[in-house]
Amino acid sequence: GNSVTQMEGPVTLSEEAFLTINCTYTATGYPSLFWYVQYPGEGLQLLLKATKADDKGSNKGFEATYRKETTSFHLEKGSVQVSDSAVYFCALIIGGYSTLTFGKGTMLLVSP
Amino acid sequence: DAGITQSPRHKVTETGTPVTLRCHQTENHRYMYWYRQDPGHGLRLIHYSYGVKDTDKGEVSDGYSVSRSKTEDFLLTLESATSSQTSVYFCAISEGRGHTDTQYFGPGTRLTVL
Repeated sequence: GNSVTQMEGPVTLSEEAFLTINCTYTATGYPSLFWYVQYPGEGLQLLLKATKADDKGSNKGFEATYRKETTSFHLEKGSVQVSDSAVYFCALIIGGYSTLTFGKGTMLLVSP
Repeated sequence: DAGITQSPRHKVTETGTPVTLRCHQTENHRYMYWYRQDPGHGLRLIHYSYGVKDTDKGEVSDGYSVSRSKTEDFLLTLESATSSQTSVYFCAISEGRGHTDTQYFGPGTRLTVL
């Protein structure tokens, strides 16, 4: 079956630190990969996505590169802000279907 | 922001009572989904719909039923609520473009079953 594994949190950083949240996947097919973000008390929002190998998704200073050889889609940001504090979810869709498989989420806490 | 509303936003009910949650969209998207979010589990798909009267089960469908009589509305029903169904429920919509699809999420409904 399909599955997504994320690093466990919380990840605690100081403002302006470098962020990496690891995500690896198992898929019976060729997936598209997504990062969603959930701010406190809100629903999920799409942060970025990549639909084929070596694609780089980027948004709001966050980046992730689709690595087929390592089945990974790690999220990075060069300098985090307090406002980035949220829960981040990695997810995949297999071609031909429209149902997402989510990881368990990683909480990020950024302190001033 | 995608036009998705969920009602109610909060509900407290007792074990054994029926509960219906409503998702309403103004985007005319083909696909609609119901997820539950629980600590340590992330989001898990309950049911989804790929058109009016067309629905299918997700990963955790036991104890839940759904209906979609109009494009804009997707109802989730707990026929007899149990404490294990205490959770935050999210509705999502998408155009149904397969592997390039983006899902848009509603604000959630917090359900407590006593």
